[in-house]
Amino acid sequence: GQQVMQIPQYQHVQEGEDFTTYCNSSTTLSNIQWYKQRPGGHPVFLIQLVKSGEVKKQKRLTFQFGEAKKNSSLHITATQTTDVGTYFCGPSSGSARQLTFGSGTQLTVLP
Amino acid sequence: DGGITQSPKYLFRKEGQNVTLSCEQNLNHDAMYWYRQDPGQGLRLIYYSQIVNDFQKGDIAEGYSVSREKKESFPLTVTSAQKNPTAFYLCASHDRGRTDTQYFGPGTRLTVL
Repeated sequence: GQQVMQIPQYQHVQEGEDFTTYCNSSTTLSNIQWYKQRPGGHPVFLIQLVKSGEVKKQKRLTFQFGEAKKNSSLHITATQTTDVGTYFCGPSSGSARQLTFGSGTQLTVLP
Repeated sequence: DGGITQSPKYLFRKEGQNVTLSCEQNLNHDAMYWYRQDPGQGLRLIYYSQIVNDFQKGDIAEGYSVSREKKESFPLTVTSAQKNPTAFYLCASHDRGRTDTQYFGPGTRLTVL
């Protein structure tokens, strides 16, 4: 399947600081999905990007899909303690639309 | 993420025993999936099913089996052949509507003693 790499693996920020995680693929992706998993919880869908250069915003979260559709980023402005969790990215592909997740970025927000 | 239930939440088993994890959804989704998550790692696909009475192996199917006799149910059996079964198991179902979203259940944490 299509492989994606996420960086960084871990990130600690002070509350109020910005945070960015990156998702990189060696192949062109048809789409990219982002999920958030709170500690002890399960992944929850955040967004799907499908168009080259697409940018979508959800309040303090900004998602981008690269022009070549090989990378994506999630930027959180002014982090809050509620942003704590692991953020996963990956394409949905195949006839069954199965997900291929990267290893995730674990975000810790220090109060 | 509502509409999918998994039971039990925590499960302990002895080595050499088979164990079945339950997954039920009332979202009327055709596709269902089983993923495995190990600490500090992403999800790996075990099995998936697109319709009733049909399922396919994912990336790490060895030591696992599934059935799909009803649209609502997709149980996963972890057999004694699975060499390292201790993990967090997540079931999901798929909405092929506009958002192409997967909805995950709360997960079952399996520990082999």
